[in-house]
Amino acid sequence: EDKVVQSPLSLVVHEGDTVTLNCSYEVTNFRSLLWYKQEKKAPTFLFMLTSSGIEKKSGRLSSILDKKELFSILNITATQTGDSAVYLCAVPRMRTSGSRLTFGEGTQLTVNP
Amino acid sequence: DADVTQTPRNRITKTGKRIMLECSQTKGHDRMYWYRQDPGLGLRLIYYSFDVKDINKGEISDGYSVSRQAQAKFSLSLESAIPNQTALYFCATSDFAGTEAFFGQGTRLTVV
Repeated sequence: EDKVVQSPLSLVVHEGDTVTLNCSYEVTNFRSLLWYKQEKKAPTFLFMLTSSGIEKKSGRLSSILDKKELFSILNITATQTGDSAVYLCAVPRMRTSGSRLTFGEGTQLTVNP
Repeated sequence: DADVTQTPRNRITKTGKRIMLECSQTKGHDRMYWYRQDPGLGLRLIYYSFDVKDINKGEISDGYSVSRQAQAKFSLSLESAIPNQTALYFCATSDFAGTEAFFGQGTRLTVV
């Protein structure tokens, strides 16, 4: 059965720290992996990764995919209190008629001042 | 205007009542989804629809039903609400590849 596992489930750090969030997956017909940030309500899209070893960057956030080892990491450098959120990893699960997203449980990140 | 709109945003209802959550989208996507989110459990799929004539059960469909009234509209019903259906509900859409999902703002449902 396809699955997506995130770790840690919860993380508390101080402002300025660097954090690494992990996402491992077992999905047939893998095509891409997505990272989302969820604050109070709806998740917002961060990155889509399709190629192994190519880092995606957006400001202090970066992510990389390892298709051989079936995982991705999301790095946040110089964390700020505004980075506090749940970070979700998702993988489209392919069917003959299309695909749907499977989400991991999420990592709750808390950044304290 | 939001790409995916959910109504209502908040709802409190009593056990045993029927309730409908509505979702409409302007993305022009064929694929629509209903998820619920509970603390520590992530997003869990309730139902999904790949087009107007296609409805599929997700991981936790018991106690729920859906209706795809049009390409842009996908509603979720709780026929007889129970307290453990208290959760945050999200509607989402995606393109054929499902490589990027667009979410509504969520509906916070409380069943007392």
